[in-house]
Amino acid sequence: DTEVTQTPKHLVMGMTNKKSLKCEQHMGHRAMYWYKQKAKKPPELMFVYSYEKLSINESVPSRFSPECPNSSLLNLHLHALQPEDSALYLCASSHPDTRSNYGYTFGSGTRLTVV
Amino acid sequence: TQLLEQSPQFLSIQEGENLTVYCNSSSVFSSLQWYRQEPGEGPVLLVTVVTGGEVKKLKRLTFQFGDARKDSSLHITAAQPGDTGLYLCAGPPDGSGNTGKLIFGQGTTLQVKP
Repeated sequence: DTEVTQTPKHLVMGMTNKKSLKCEQHMGHRAMYWYKQKAKKPPELMFVYSYEKLSINESVPSRFSPECPNSSLLNLHLHALQPEDSALYLCASSHPDTRSNYGYTFGSGTRLTVV
Repeated sequence: TQLLEQSPQFLSIQEGENLTVYCNSSSVFSSLQWYRQEPGEGPVLLVTVVTGGEVKKLKRLTFQFGDARKDSSLHITAAQPGDTGLYLCAGPPDGSGNTGKLIFGQGTTLQVKP
């Protein structure tokens, strides 16, 4: 299995809603990532989990809350989002050390619209 | 702060033409990666280059890593409409150690018209 699976593919939520994005991989990767991507822009790193521990939080607002229940799963809990948070949210996984040169495997993303 | 600068940002060409995309930095990178992203999908890893001066070929795509490991290029021969997408270069910043963190260039949007 060489895939990263993200659900849902599309999500529309109101500013008072609570929702969660899910990501799953079975490649034995021990690093998992959340990225946010606006149209025609590069992905922006939000969080890095290494060996199931949060290792990087790129000063993301607290309305985004990551969770890594085990080595295969990564969640992103959303609460009280703003319309400007609308974007494509990408999950990725890799070996933790980028010097291993295997690169990231990205999921297809969740297209989030905040209304 | 390490930056990766890609050029051009946008490229629109006819099927059959050749093109080159550049990824430059003032800093040394231990490796650089190239990804292609189609609309509505996540980026897909094309190649990783590790050794200065290295050249890798993937069918009609040729990737080169500069001798000083500060730049890379992607050359496409006889472009096809299926090559259309956003091309991203990426590399691990200094001090990223075993975090797996990558920084990305701004991307090159390529459109190949039939």
